[in-house]
Amino acid sequence: DTEVTQTPKHLVMGMTNKKSLKCEQHMGHRAMYWYKQKAKKPPELMFVYSYEKLSINESVPSRFSPECPNSSLLNLHLHALQPEDSALYLCASSRYRGRNTGELFFGEGSRLTVL
Amino acid sequence: GEDVEQSLFLSVREGDSSVINCTYTDSSSTYLYWYKQEPGAGLQLLTYIFSNMDMKQDQRLTVLLNKKDKHLSLRIADTQTGDSAIYFCAESITGGYQKVTFGTGTKLQVIP
Repeated sequence: DTEVTQTPKHLVMGMTNKKSLKCEQHMGHRAMYWYKQKAKKPPELMFVYSYEKLSINESVPSRFSPECPNSSLLNLHLHALQPEDSALYLCASSRYRGRNTGELFFGEGSRLTVL
Repeated sequence: GEDVEQSLFLSVREGDSSVINCTYTDSSSTYLYWYKQEPGAGLQLLTYIFSNMDMKQDQRLTVLLNKKDKHLSLRIADTQTGDSAIYFCAESITGGYQKVTFGTGTKLQVIP
């Protein structure tokens, strides 16, 4: 199983809503990532978790709240978002240390529209 | 600095070779990568090269690395319509987790 599964695929929310994006992998990877991708732009790193602990927060606004409840799951809780937060949110995972090539395994993404 | 630059667009005819170029900035990168993104999808690793290599060939793909000029290229032989996508080069210093910097992306259009 080399899949990273993201749900939902599409999400439309108002600025006062609270919603969550979910990500799951069963490859035994101990590093998981959230990226944000705007149209025609490269993915931008938001958060990195290693061994279920937050390792990197790239100065992301607090209206985005990540959570890693266990080694297979990664959530992104959304609250009071702005229209400019509309984007494709990509989850990825990778091995941690050891003999590895640093490959990131990406999910298909959750396309978020904020009205 | 961590700017990784690519040309925005490349158009080729089916059956021709495509060459996508990338200029990176971090000379301490351990690995350099090429990822492919099809419309509405996530990114998929196509190939990678270790920083102490000059060239890597993988079926229709050839990666060339010029460390002196910090230049990376991807050649796709016999380009097919299914190769139409956005291609991102990326660099990473491999350690624990990966702090990957992606290039600006090149949209490859294959004309039948």
